[in-house]
Amino acid sequence: NAGVTQTPKFHILKTGQSMTLQCAQDMNHGYMSWYRQDPGMGLRLIYYSAAAGTTDKEVPNGYNVSRLNTEDFPLRLVSAAPSQTSVYFCAISGAPGQGGSPLHFGNGTRLTVT
Amino acid sequence: AQSVAQPEDQVNVAEGNPLTVKCTYSVSGNPYLFWYVQYPNRGLQFLLKYITGDNLVKGSYGFEAEFNKSQTSFHLKKPSALVSDSALYFCAVRPPASGTYKYIFGTGTRLKVLA
Repeated sequence: NAGVTQTPKFHILKTGQSMTLQCAQDMNHGYMSWYRQDPGMGLRLIYYSAAAGTTDKEVPNGYNVSRLNTEDFPLRLVSAAPSQTSVYFCAISGAPGQGGSPLHFGNGTRLTVT
Repeated sequence: AQSVAQPEDQVNVAEGNPLTVKCTYSVSGNPYLFWYVQYPNRGLQFLLKYITGDNLVKGSYGFEAEFNKSQTSFHLKKPSALVSDSALYFCAVRPPASGTYKYIFGTGTRLKVLA
Protein backbone atom coordinates (compact mmCIF):
# COMPACT_ATOMS: atom_id res chain seq x y z
CA ASN A 1 0.00 0.00 0.00
CA ALA A 2 1.98 2.98 -1.30
CA GLY A 3 -0.65 5.65 -0.58
CA VAL A 4 0.14 8.52 -2.95
CA THR A 5 2.86 8.14 -5.57
CA GLN A 6 4.23 11.11 -7.48
CA THR A 7 6.56 10.97 -10.44
CA PRO A 8 9.04 12.26 -11.32
CA LYS A 9 10.81 13.40 -8.14
CA PHE A 10 12.78 16.09 -9.94
CA HIS A 11 12.62 17.70 -13.36
CA ILE A 12 14.07 20.66 -15.21
CA LEU A 13 12.07 22.27 -18.02
CA LYS A 14 12.80 25.06 -20.41
CA THR A 15 10.40 27.98 -20.75
CA GLY A 16 7.61 27.13 -23.16
CA GLN A 17 7.95 23.36 -22.85
CA SER A 18 5.08 21.24 -21.59
CA MET A 19 5.15 18.50 -19.02
CA THR A 20 2.84 16.21 -17.06
CA LEU A 21 3.33 15.49 -13.38
CA GLN A 22 1.90 12.14 -12.39
CA CYS A 23 -0.07 11.34 -9.25
CA ALA A 24 -1.46 7.90 -8.46
CA GLN A 25 -3.22 6.64 -5.32
CA ASP A 26 -4.15 3.20 -4.06
CA MET A 27 -6.36 4.26 -1.14
CA ASN A 28 -9.59 4.51 -3.14
CA HIS A 29 -10.18 8.07 -1.97
CA GLY A 30 -12.52 10.24 -3.98
CA TYR A 31 -10.84 13.58 -3.45
CA MET A 32 -7.53 14.42 -5.12
CA SER A 33 -5.76 17.76 -5.32
CA TRP A 34 -2.60 19.51 -6.40
CA TYR A 35 -0.73 22.07 -4.31
CA ARG A 36 2.42 24.00 -4.94
CA GLN A 37 4.83 24.94 -2.18
CA ASP A 38 7.00 28.00 -2.41
CA PRO A 39 9.29 29.39 0.32
CA GLY A 40 7.43 31.68 2.71
CA MET A 41 4.13 31.07 0.94
CA GLY A 42 2.94 27.84 2.46
CA LEU A 43 0.89 25.56 0.25
CA ARG A 44 -1.40 26.92 -2.44
CA LEU A 45 -4.17 24.89 -3.99
CA ILE A 46 -3.99 24.64 -7.79
CA TYR A 47 -6.63 22.11 -8.80
CA TYR A 48 -8.85 19.59 -7.12
CA SER A 49 -11.22 16.82 -8.03
CA ALA A 50 -14.03 15.51 -5.86
CA ALA A 51 -14.44 12.33 -7.90
CA ALA A 52 -13.59 10.73 -11.22
CA GLY A 53 -14.98 12.82 -14.06
CA THR A 54 -14.99 16.15 -12.15
CA THR A 55 -12.33 18.82 -11.67
CA ASP A 56 -12.21 22.38 -10.34
CA LYS A 57 -9.41 24.89 -10.54
CA GLU A 58 -8.17 27.46 -8.08
CA VAL A 59 -5.56 29.29 -10.15
CA PRO A 60 -6.51 30.78 -13.48
CA ASN A 61 -3.88 29.77 -15.98
CA GLY A 62 -0.94 27.61 -16.82
CA TYR A 63 -2.19 24.27 -15.55
CA ASN A 64 -4.51 21.56 -16.69
CA VAL A 65 -5.75 18.34 -15.11
CA SER A 66 -7.82 15.31 -15.95
CA ARG A 67 -9.55 12.75 -13.74
CA LEU A 68 -10.47 9.78 -15.89
CA ASN A 69 -10.49 7.29 -13.02
CA THR A 70 -10.27 7.16 -9.23
CA GLU A 71 -6.56 6.37 -9.08
CA ASP A 72 -4.87 8.97 -11.29
CA PHE A 73 -4.80 12.76 -11.28
CA PRO A 74 -2.10 14.07 -13.63
CA LEU A 75 -1.20 17.77 -13.66
CA ARG A 76 -0.13 19.24 -16.97
CA LEU A 77 1.91 22.38 -17.41
CA VAL A 78 0.81 23.60 -20.81
CA SER A 79 3.65 26.06 -21.58
CA ALA A 80 6.03 26.27 -18.66
CA ALA A 81 7.08 29.62 -17.23
CA PRO A 82 9.80 30.40 -14.65
CA SER A 83 7.04 31.43 -12.21
CA GLN A 84 5.99 27.79 -12.14
CA THR A 85 9.25 26.74 -10.55
CA SER A 86 8.09 25.11 -7.34
CA VAL A 87 7.59 21.90 -5.44
CA TYR A 88 4.30 20.29 -6.39
CA PHE A 89 2.38 18.02 -4.05
CA CYS A 90 -0.51 15.74 -4.77
CA ALA A 91 -2.86 15.17 -1.82
CA ILE A 92 -5.91 12.96 -1.37
CA SER A 93 -8.62 12.53 1.22
CA GLY A 94 -11.96 10.92 1.85
CA ALA A 95 -15.25 12.75 1.51
CA PRO A 96 -15.47 15.98 3.53
CA GLY A 97 -18.25 14.66 5.72
CA GLN A 98 -16.23 11.66 6.88
CA GLY A 99 -15.18 13.05 10.25
CA GLY A 100 -12.79 15.56 8.83
CA SER A 101 -10.74 13.13 6.77
CA PRO A 102 -7.17 14.49 6.68
CA LEU A 103 -5.09 14.94 3.56
CA HIS A 104 -2.55 12.29 2.59
CA PHE A 105 0.36 13.73 0.63
CA GLY A 106 2.77 12.36 -1.91
CA ASN A 107 6.47 13.13 -1.57
CA GLY A 108 6.40 15.88 -4.15
CA THR A 109 7.90 16.78 -7.51
CA ARG A 110 10.57 19.49 -7.53
CA LEU A 111 10.21 21.36 -10.80
CA THR A 112 12.59 23.98 -12.15
CA VAL A 113 11.75 26.05 -15.22
CA THR A 114 14.72 27.81 -16.79
CA ALA B 1 -11.09 36.62 3.04
CA GLN B 2 -10.49 33.35 4.81
CA SER B 3 -6.98 32.93 6.11
CA VAL B 4 -4.66 31.08 8.45
CA ALA B 5 -1.80 32.81 10.23
CA GLN B 6 1.31 31.28 11.72
CA PRO B 7 2.97 34.35 13.21
CA GLU B 8 6.39 32.80 13.79
CA ASP B 9 8.62 31.77 10.91
CA GLN B 10 10.85 29.86 13.30
CA VAL B 11 10.65 28.61 16.86
CA ASN B 12 13.74 27.51 18.76
CA VAL B 13 13.46 25.39 21.87
CA ALA B 14 15.89 23.38 23.96
CA GLU B 15 15.47 19.63 24.06
CA GLY B 16 13.31 18.59 27.00
CA ASN B 17 11.52 21.93 27.20
CA PRO B 18 7.88 22.39 26.29
CA LEU B 19 7.13 23.78 22.85
CA THR B 20 4.29 25.79 21.35
CA VAL B 21 3.71 26.57 17.70
CA LYS B 22 1.02 29.17 17.18
CA CYS B 23 -1.86 29.24 14.71
CA THR B 24 -4.82 31.58 14.36
CA TYR B 25 -7.49 31.53 11.71
CA SER B 26 -10.10 33.72 10.15
CA VAL B 27 -12.86 31.47 8.82
CA SER B 28 -16.57 31.84 9.37
CA GLY B 29 -18.53 29.06 10.98
CA ASN B 30 -16.98 26.06 12.71
CA PRO B 31 -14.09 24.85 10.57
CA TYR B 32 -12.12 21.66 10.84
CA LEU B 33 -8.58 22.36 12.07
CA PHE B 34 -5.44 20.36 11.31
CA TRP B 35 -1.73 20.26 11.98
CA TYR B 36 0.76 18.71 9.58
CA VAL B 37 4.50 18.18 9.80
CA GLN B 38 6.98 18.16 6.94
CA TYR B 39 10.43 16.62 7.07
CA PRO B 40 13.07 17.51 4.44
CA ASN B 41 12.26 16.29 0.93
CA ARG B 42 9.03 14.70 2.05
CA GLY B 43 5.34 15.45 1.77
CA LEU B 44 3.29 16.68 4.69
CA GLN B 45 2.23 14.18 7.32
CA PHE B 46 -0.96 14.48 9.34
CA LEU B 47 -0.41 15.09 13.08
CA LEU B 48 -3.82 15.80 14.55
CA LYS B 49 -7.19 17.42 13.96
CA TYR B 50 -9.99 19.16 15.77
CA ILE B 51 -13.53 18.58 14.59
CA THR B 52 -15.68 19.07 17.68
CA GLY B 53 -15.72 18.23 21.38
CA ASP B 54 -12.84 18.52 23.87
CA ASN B 55 -10.71 21.58 23.20
CA LEU B 56 -7.50 19.65 23.78
CA VAL B 57 -6.79 17.09 21.11
CA LYS B 58 -3.97 14.59 21.13
CA GLY B 59 -2.13 13.38 18.07
CA SER B 60 0.92 11.54 16.83
CA TYR B 61 4.42 11.61 18.39
CA GLY B 62 3.20 13.12 21.68
CA PHE B 63 1.85 16.31 20.12
CA GLU B 64 -1.36 17.94 21.22
CA ALA B 65 -3.23 21.07 20.24
CA GLU B 66 -5.52 23.42 22.05
CA PHE B 67 -8.55 24.89 20.33
CA ASN B 68 -9.77 28.27 21.54
CA LYS B 69 -12.93 29.40 19.82
CA SER B 70 -13.03 32.91 21.26
CA GLN B 71 -9.46 33.58 20.12
CA THR B 72 -9.84 31.55 16.90
CA SER B 73 -6.59 29.81 17.70
CA PHE B 74 -5.32 26.26 17.43
CA HIS B 75 -1.84 26.16 18.96
CA LEU B 76 0.31 23.04 18.70
CA LYS B 77 2.05 21.91 21.86
CA LYS B 78 4.32 19.24 23.22
CA PRO B 79 5.34 18.90 26.87
CA SER B 80 8.94 17.84 26.18
CA ALA B 81 10.64 18.53 22.84
CA LEU B 82 12.94 16.10 21.08
CA VAL B 83 15.68 16.92 18.58
CA SER B 84 13.83 14.67 16.14
CA ASP B 85 10.83 17.04 16.32
CA SER B 86 12.80 19.57 14.28
CA ALA B 87 10.78 20.07 11.10
CA LEU B 88 8.40 22.42 9.32
CA TYR B 89 4.90 22.58 10.81
CA PHE B 90 1.77 23.68 9.00
CA CYS B 91 -1.59 24.63 10.38
CA ALA B 92 -4.54 24.08 8.04
CA VAL B 93 -8.22 24.88 8.12
CA ARG B 94 -11.07 23.38 6.18
CA PRO B 95 -14.17 25.56 6.10
CA PRO B 96 -17.34 24.07 7.58
CA ALA B 97 -18.69 20.82 6.21
CA SER B 98 -20.67 22.14 3.29
CA GLY B 99 -19.18 19.80 0.76
CA THR B 100 -16.11 21.92 0.21
CA TYR B 101 -12.74 20.25 -0.08
CA LYS B 102 -10.72 23.43 0.07
CA TYR B 103 -8.04 23.47 2.72
CA ILE B 104 -6.36 26.73 3.66
CA PHE B 105 -2.78 26.42 4.86
CA GLY B 106 -0.65 28.72 6.96
CA THR B 107 2.82 29.66 5.75
CA GLY B 108 4.52 27.21 8.08
CA THR B 109 6.71 27.45 11.17
CA ARG B 110 10.14 25.89 11.30
CA LEU B 111 10.75 24.24 14.64
CA LYS B 112 14.34 23.81 15.71
CA VAL B 113 15.01 21.75 18.82
CA LEU B 114 18.48 22.29 20.19
CA ALA B 115 20.36 19.50 21.96
